[in-house]
Amino acid sequence: NAGVTQTPKFQVLKTGQSMTLQCAQDMNHEYMSWYRQDPGMGLRLIHYSVGAGITDQGEVPNGYNVSRSTTEDFPLRLLSAAPSQTSVYFCASSYSTGTSGSIEQFFGPGTRLTVL
Amino acid sequence: AQKITQTQPGMFVQEKEAVTLDCTYDTSDPSYGLFWYKQPSSGEMIFLIYQGSYDQQNATEGRYSLNFQKARKSANLVISASQLGDSAMYFCAMTEGGTALIFGKGTTLSVSS
Repeated sequence: NAGVTQTPKFQVLKTGQSMTLQCAQDMNHEYMSWYRQDPGMGLRLIHYSVGAGITDQGEVPNGYNVSRSTTEDFPLRLLSAAPSQTSVYFCASSYSTGTSGSIEQFFGPGTRLTVL
Repeated sequence: AQKITQTQPGMFVQEKEAVTLDCTYDTSDPSYGLFWYKQPSSGEMIFLIYQGSYDQQNATEGRYSLNFQKARKSANLVISASQLGDSAMYFCAMTEGGTALIFGKGTTLSVSS
């Protein structure tokens, strides 16, 4: 199992450019989510998905789009990059036991994005 | 209002000592899960320990234990016998529906010899 993979590892964009951060998992997990981490902050939820075809907004969704056409993939799109989107982005997948939430969230290695 | 509060920006401990990292949470959902993650300077998120709201016993994983006090809404991480490799950022997090996590701002732990 590769777990959760993210590409690219590093990316530099100019203001106004668009791009897609890729995330894939091979564990057949129902739930996937995107977080951003800024200095001095914990991870903040951008968007999440509870299954193929179902997505919802998190705490900081503005400027980002997601879709979930398959269980495995959950790409994050930046429509028009801004310097405020400079951050480290983490993708995660998890499953629910149906009781007190999921047992474990599996994180990808992260993508470090700089917007100039 | 913050759902996860970590009040210690930084903690310092000597090798072989025990250390407690504080975490309080806020939720009205009776079903929730609490997590601790470690983030070393290399940046990856490492899962340490999980506690479900209905679990009767405190969770333990090797040198890590979670001191779960439900009435006080606290979920402190205890690391016994600290090692130099424990130096990292530690995050407390909560899930209310098993879908995604809400994180605290983290505590930086520094272990010295």
